[in-house]
Amino acid sequence: DGGITQSPKYLFRKEGQNVTLSCEQNLNHDAMYWYRQDPGQGLRLIYYSQIVNDFQKGDIAEGYSVSREKKESFPLTVTSAQKNPTAFYLCASSRMGDSNQPQHFGDGTRLSIL
Amino acid sequence: GQQVMQIPQYQHVQEGEDFTTYCNSSTTLSNIQWYKQRPGGHPVFLIQLVKSGEVKKQKRLTFQFGEAKKNSSLHITATQTTDVGTYFCAGRVYNFNKFYFGSGTKLNVKP
Repeated sequence: DGGITQSPKYLFRKEGQNVTLSCEQNLNHDAMYWYRQDPGQGLRLIYYSQIVNDFQKGDIAEGYSVSREKKESFPLTVTSAQKNPTAFYLCASSRMGDSNQPQHFGDGTRLSIL
Repeated sequence: GQQVMQIPQYQHVQEGEDFTTYCNSSTTLSNIQWYKQRPGGHPVFLIQLVKSGEVKKQKRLTFQFGEAKKNSSLHITATQTTDVGTYFCAGRVYNFNKFYFGSGTKLNVKP
């Protein structure tokens, strides 16, 4: 089945530690996105990428980093500089070329601080 | 910065009652999408509106896009318990390939 796979489902971070969240898609989508969702709130854009080897900061990029070495993969690293990392992280992808494409979301990763 | 405001934050209804959620943007949008997120799940795309004044229907759901393309609404007629979840709008600004999500409206339906 085509879709987006996020792993792990749950992740715990110690103080001063960097952690990486995985996002893989087999939909052949060019664009990929990372969002953060806090309880009772909407989705805030962290980073997005429209093409391999290129990405742009979203609205809350500080304390996060990404890479896009392959079309299928868009990992997100939550660095120790992110002081409040506890949240639900959602990865999404969409086609490019036509701006009216819906975003397909993964099942998310819940990150907590130990 | 660009914001999409969504109200209400919560709505509790009795099964069979109607429900409406509203989104407003400070900037004219090129298009707006609606998503539904079930408890514990991820957002799932419902529909997209592109044209000024556009109205689309999906069974009991009616979606509208304002004439100025700055506001949108989702109306559910005769809610059912399967409608429970959080409904998000996501607006795209011209020349930007990213969407701004509203804060969502959490709908609870009492049987």
